[in-house]
Amino acid sequence: GQQLNQSPQSMFIQEGEDVSMNCTSSSIFNTWLWYKQDPGEGPVLLIALYKAGELTSNGRLTAQFGITRKDSFLNISASIPSDVGIYFCAGLKTSYDKVIFGPGTSLSVIP
Amino acid sequence: GAVVSQHPSRVICKSGTSVKIECRSLDFQATTMFWYRQFPKQSLMLMATSNEGSKATYEQGVEKDKFLINHASLTLSTLTVTSAHPEDSSFYICSAEVGGADTQYFGPGTRLTVL
Repeated sequence: GQQLNQSPQSMFIQEGEDVSMNCTSSSIFNTWLWYKQDPGEGPVLLIALYKAGELTSNGRLTAQFGITRKDSFLNISASIPSDVGIYFCAGLKTSYDKVIFGPGTSLSVIP
Repeated sequence: GAVVSQHPSRVICKSGTSVKIECRSLDFQATTMFWYRQFPKQSLMLMATSNEGSKATYEQGVEKDKFLINHASLTLSTLTVTSAHPEDSSFYICSAEVGGADTQYFGPGTRLTVL
């Protein structure tokens, strides 16, 4: 079935460092979404991408919709302790399909 | 905008009882809401798609008679876990789709513990 892969699975970084994570699939998606989930909370939408090649920023976060439509990247610049959490990518093929979620990337920031 | 609430945030119940979880879209109307289940350190697993005014669509392996979904209005969907058992203990999260945007906004989740 459809599946998304996220890498890395987890990462430990020093405060102030930049972070890069990606999401890949063997299938083409027409919408890519990035969510962040804090412990015990629901996921919060960070960035939505609707067009191949699109590069969108939200504060210190930047995400890109891969040209092949099979991947997406999320970068966080100058990480801070509150960036800690699990980052999920999600893909959608068409408006009539269900959203597919990746397994998540766990981010830990060391002060 | 696009705020989704859930109630209760956590519930502890005895085995065999039924539990109702409410999901509300506070500042928009949602014709479609989704119910997910999440186990510790795992991703979200879609249980069912809830459409206002019609029957929910359940994912394979999800018992519709055990997880009753009602989407009575454009701002409210409910999930009732009937005859709950310890294996039903989990984090249940709803989301609502803003019309035509293909993006889902999630509620804060409900932690269910069945003793």
